[in-house]
Amino acid sequence: QVQLQESGPGLVKPSQTLSLTCTVSGGSIGSGSFYWSWIRQPAGKGLEWIGRIYSGGTTTYNPSLESRVTISVDTSKNQFSLNLGSVTAADTAVYYCAREVASRNYFDHWGQGALVTVSS
Amino acid sequence: EIVLTQSPGTLSLSPGERVTLSCRASQSVSSTYLAWYQQKPGQAPRLLIYGASSRATGIPDRFSGSGSGTDFTLTISRLEPEDFAVYYCQQYGTSPSITFGQGTRLETK
Repeated sequence: QVQLQESGPGLVKPSQTLSLTCTVSGGSIGSGSFYWSWIRQPAGKGLEWIGRIYSGGTTTYNPSLESRVTISVDTSKNQFSLNLGSVTAADTAVYYCAREVASRNYFDHWGQGALVTVSS
Repeated sequence: EIVLTQSPGTLSLSPGERVTLSCRASQSVSSTYLAWYQQKPGQAPRLLIYGASSRATGIPDRFSGSGSGTDFTLTISRLEPEDFAVYYCQQYGTSPSITFGQGTRLETK
């Protein structure tokens, strides 16, 4: 059974960079059948897709965040990571990593989520 | 960007009732790329339906999805106590974005 787990600082200062890592267990991140995505959810609000990475390193980002986002992958560690720069309070949210089925673009496995608060 | 509008925002129902949730897209969406999720408080979303009508692994058959083009529905034939949650639709359409609806909350009457 595939499991995903987010890790990283829970508090980030405004204007700094938010960094999270997702560790995948029970399956290889190198599988060609899946993408690896980040999704966020502000408290009491809906879901926003941030972007995805393929095991080969190809990335696609939400245009609304593209100028500030970098997603990378480390297949040797079975991990992928999110960097979101120049954060403001509006970036405070629960951040989820998720496995995206490449052929149909839906999310079949999710991490438990990591709350990141942007505050000085 | 394709906008998904879910209605109603909140539904108050009782266990045993039948419910149909609506997801309307601002542009046509291929059925292949329409999914539904359930989210309970403090939990990650759980995949219910993909390809508009295919149930995910382990999802009870009281959940069903249908629709095409711009109009999609999720039906729960007989509500169980554990079904009271927030439901989201999600689409993959115009590359490169994925978008979600704003959610429908099912609450106990």
